[in-house]
Amino acid sequence: EVQLVESGGGLVQPGGSLRLSCAASGITFSRYAMSWVRQAPGKGLEWVSPIGGNGDNTYYADSMKGRFTISRDNSKNTLYLQMDSLRVEDTAVYYCAKHSGINCYTPIDYWGQGTLVTVSS
Amino acid sequence: DIVMTQSPDSLAVSLGERATINCKSRQSVLDSSNNKNYLAWYQRKPGQPPKLLIHWASTRESGVPDRFSGSGSGTDFTLTISSLQAEDVAVYFCQQYYSTPFTFGPGTTVDI
Repeated sequence: EVQLVESGGGLVQPGGSLRLSCAASGITFSRYAMSWVRQAPGKGLEWVSPIGGNGDNTYYADSMKGRFTISRDNSKNTLYLQMDSLRVEDTAVYYCAKHSGINCYTPIDYWGQGTLVTVSS
Repeated sequence: DIVMTQSPDSLAVSLGERATINCKSRQSVLDSSNNKNYLAWYQRKPGQPPKLLIHWASTRESGVPDRFSGSGSGTDFTLTISSLQAEDVAVYFCQQYYSTPFTFGPGTTVDI
C-alpha cells in the first residue's frame, strides 16, 4: 500500500523558514517523480513544485521561485520542501504527491493527507 | 500558464441519473507526437486528499468504477458519471500535466 506522510508544518512568522518532509512507503521511491501541491484556505489547489525520480527536472511556480527548494533523498524514501522568506500568502495545507512515472509529465496517482503551514505574526 | 476552467460550478443529480462535468483548457494539452492528452480528473471528498479517477483524458484508473468515464481532446474534456451513487457526492476537478506550471480546474461540486 502506498503511503505518503508529510511532516514539518506549523506556525512561522513572516520571513521565517520551514522544511517540510514527506516519507514514502510501499513504492520504489526513486522510480517516481514527486510534487508538492498546496491549498490555501478557501482557495483551489495550487501546484508548487515537481522533482523527477532522479532528482532532476525541478520547477517552481513563479511566486515561489527563489524562496522554495524541492529535493529528495532516494536512500531515505523522503521528499523535502525547504521554504524560506515565507509570506502570509504561503499559508496553506501542503500536500505531497506521487506521480505515476519517473518524470513529472505523468498524472499524480497518490496524495498525502497534507500538513498545515501557517505564516502569521 | 494553461488556465483550466470547469462548468458547471455545481450540480445536483438524482440517484441513478447521469452527471456531466466539463473542463476546458485555454490551450491544447494534446501532444501530437504521442497522441496523448495530458489531462486528469480527480475526486475529492471532505477531509480527504484527491483521488485519481481518469488520466490521459479517458483512461480509468485501476479500481475506479466503470460508471466514471472521461472523454475529449485538445482543449475540451468531459467527465461523466453514468449512474450517480450516494458515495459519488464530492468535488471533481481536472488538471493538466502537459506543461509547467501544472494547473488545476476550480472544481465542480456534485450533490444529490
